[in-house]
Amino acid sequence: DSGVTQTPKHLITATGQRVTLRCSPRSGDLSVYWYQQSLDQGLQFLIQYYNGEERAKGNILERFSAQQFPDLHSELNLSSLELGDSALYFCASHAGAGANVLTFGAGSRLTVL
Amino acid sequence: GEDVEQSLFLSVREGDSSVINCTYTDSSSTYLYWYKQEPGAGLQLLTYIFSNMDMKQDQRLTVLLNKKDKHLSLRIADTQTGDSAIYFCAEDSGYSTLTFGKGTMLLVSP
Repeated sequence: DSGVTQTPKHLITATGQRVTLRCSPRSGDLSVYWYQQSLDQGLQFLIQYYNGEERAKGNILERFSAQQFPDLHSELNLSSLELGDSALYFCASHAGAGANVLTFGAGSRLTVL
Repeated sequence: GEDVEQSLFLSVREGDSSVINCTYTDSSSTYLYWYKQEPGAGLQLLTYIFSNMDMKQDQRLTVLLNKKDKHLSLRIADTQTGDSAIYFCAEDSGYSTLTFGKGTMLLVSP
């Protein structure tokens, strides 16, 4: 157990729907990162939050949004889902200082049918 | 832009050494990282190296960094079947986040 908790582990939904993925970072970590892993694109950085504020944005689609709450958990919202959004979505956390040693959760596997 | 490249697949026999190679493009990366992903699991940090170092050894793992050629390698000595996994090279991306390669699948046969 890495200490980073992601729910749900698996999710199957239909095109056009909206889902929310949840992440609880490791205790004491202030930064939360979201990554998307697919076979063709590999691991793509989506977005980072630090202590509730957006810190960096990567290849995140406009249909996707995220936030980090005062208790430091984070949610990734995916809307108007398309078949190509099927992927593993990873959350990672980091204390916010020193080397960027990210601790990853086990991921949420999203299947869009 | 930043791009990290790795070979996609490596097959070795148990007991042999494995060498996984990576090239990166961002010469300003402070640290370079190796992560391991086992089936159905998230990524797990194996080791990382500071950019002003040439080599780092940690038990069976040896990391070599050639900063001039922007080349990073991970050597696993006495490879075991339990080492079978996908190995990712990553570099700092300047936003306190990481850019990952697409991963090298290591298959260790008995």
